[in-house]
Parts: sequence; C-alpha cells; structure tokens
Amino acid sequence: TQLLEQSPQFLSIQEGENLTVYCNSSSVFSSLQWYRQEPGEGPVLLVTVVTGGEVKKLKRLTFQFGDARKDSSLHITAAQPGDTGLYLCAGDSHGGSQGNLIFGKGTKLSVKP
Amino acid sequence: NAGVTQTPKFQVLKTGQSMTLQCAQDMNHEYMSWYRQDPGMGLRLIHYSVGAGITDQGEVPNGYNVSRSTTEDFPLRLLSAAPSQTSVYFCASSYARGISSGANVLTFGAGSRLTVL
Repeated sequence: TQLLEQSPQFLSIQEGENLTVYCNSSSVFSSLQWYRQEPGEGPVLLVTVVTGGEVKKLKRLTFQFGDARKDSSLHITAAQPGDTGLYLCAGDSHGGSQGNLIFGKGTKLSVKP
Repeated sequence: NAGVTQTPKFQVLKTGQSMTLQCAQDMNHEYMSWYRQDPGMGLRLIHYSVGAGITDQGEVPNGYNVSRSTTEDFPLRLLSAAPSQTSVYFCASSYARGISSGANVLTFGAGSRLTVL
C-alpha cells in the first residue's frame, strides 16, 4: 500500500511567521498535488508538480517536488490569517490513467493575528 | 457552471438502513471517484470510475456500491449502514488526461456529512 506521510499534522503560528509542510513517501509518483480545504467545503487545488526537482511559486507559497519524485514540500512565507485551513498533499501513482489520487492525512494550519 | 454537485449535504441514518449519496458533474469529465474523510485519516478512496459503465474498488470499498450509467452521475450506495460509516463523503471528477498533458486535477463537491446511529 502506497502511503504519503504528511507532517506536521497540526501547526499553530503567529501572523508573519514562515512555515514548511512536508509530504514524504517511499513510492514514486508521476505527479504530486497540493490542495487546501476550508471547513464545510471540498478540497481545492493549489498547485500540481510533475517534474522531479520542480519548484513552483504561488504568491507567498512555494512548492517543491523532490528530485526522485517521492516527496514534496510547501513553504509559506509571512503567513497571514487567511492562510488558515487544512493543507493536503496528494500523489498520482497511475500516470493519470485512473483519475484518483493517494492523499496524505493533512496539515491543519492556524495563523493567529 | 455548477461543477460537482453532491446531495444530500447532511443525513442521519439508523444502523441497517440503506441510502444513496448522489453525485453529478456538468464538466463532461471522464473520471469520477468517491472518498471518505475521517478525522486524522485524510481522504481515502472508496470507489472510482474511468468512464460510463466502468467502476473499480479503491482502498475502502466494503459496505458501498457504485454504478456509472451516464458520464454525469456517479451515485454511492450504502447497503446496510453501520456506525463505522459515519464520515464526510466527497465526490470528485477529472478529465482523462495523460501525464504528458499535465496531471489529473480533481474537482471536488462540497461533501455529504453522514451520521449513522
């Protein structure tokens, strides 16, 4: 069974601080995605990384895919209260042929003003 | 453009009752899937479909049935509800695109919260 280990599970920080969330596996993924989920809603895609070593930036969020395509990280610079939510990493191990993903257990982020 | 629509949003069942969670998408996506989300467990795949008439089991299929008679609809049936099926259920859909065209981006519904007493 393929697993995505996500850490930390919970993170409570003050506005303006930086943070990094990690997503690790012993398996290779053809792509890895990061989603954000608000209470009472479904997850919404933040970014997809496909190439080993790839780095993508989305405003204050930086996403990296490991060279071996087994791990990824999400770094938030100068966190704001609006960043509060559940962050989920998800990997595709089927090369896009099945339309489903393996999800990590999530990181619940709370940013206090 | 409604995206992925799930009904009902909330449901309470008694042990042994059956029910169907509805999922419909209007994006002409080939792929559809059902996940359940439990505290500390992340999202776990129940069943998925790569097209009309084709379904397959995911990680936690026991106690659930699915069918895909049309591209748009992918209902999830609970045959005999058990308290262990208390969860939030999410339906998702995506285009059938290969890795060379990017990755499968899932569009999720808003979820259906089920409580089994």
